[in-house]
Amino acid sequence: DAGVIQSPRHEVTEMGQEVTLRCKPISGHNSLFWYRQTMMRGLELLIYFNNNVPIDDSGMPEDRFSAKMPNASFSTLKIQPSEPRDSAVYFCASSFWIVDQPQHFGDGTRLSIL
Amino acid sequence: AQSVAQPEDQVNVAEGNPLTVKCTYSVSGNPYLFWYVQYPNRGLQFLLKYITGDNLVKGSYGFEAEFNKSQTSFHLKKPSALVSDSALYFCAVIRQAGTALIFGKGTTLSVSS
Repeated sequence: DAGVIQSPRHEVTEMGQEVTLRCKPISGHNSLFWYRQTMMRGLELLIYFNNNVPIDDSGMPEDRFSAKMPNASFSTLKIQPSEPRDSAVYFCASSFWIVDQPQHFGDGTRLSIL
Repeated sequence: AQSVAQPEDQVNVAEGNPLTVKCTYSVSGNPYLFWYVQYPNRGLQFLLKYITGDNLVKGSYGFEAEFNKSQTSFHLKKPSALVSDSALYFCAVIRQAGTALIFGKGTTLSVSS
């Protein structure tokens, strides 16, 4: 079975540019999570969806960040405009919306903002 | 408020020795506890979980964890460490459906040959 697929794996861009990260969850999963990982702050939950509906976006750092899930098989995380402090590894994870089911993570997008 | 603490930033173990990675939690009600492992340049991988029942839970790659309700702990253990176990380990807790996992800050395990 295919796991969670994230693209691109690496992204290098200049500050001020728009960045779009993409995620394809595991088929059948109805929950999707976006995380950010840095050395300084560790693993941070940004936003999560259930059945394509955002449930909690309190972790989104600023209005420059937005996330969408137009259907059950696709989600995007957008940063506009990007800043150097947004440099991090961004992970997407999916799971069933059942409390004892583990999340399955993609291998992340390493984002560098110059 | 829910929280997870991993008191050690790093654990160093010699190959063949037993290892323990510590985790304590704070949550109201019954917790659901998880351990994940992260290898370099990879996403987190699920290792094991405690939901209910036997306090000793067995998981992938020979790992096990012991749930201790009185001490609110869920320590990860392995009887004999391998160099390939070297990675970043995360403990996580969730209280109920409709909420998200709360992760600890992670513990780096280093196994020397």
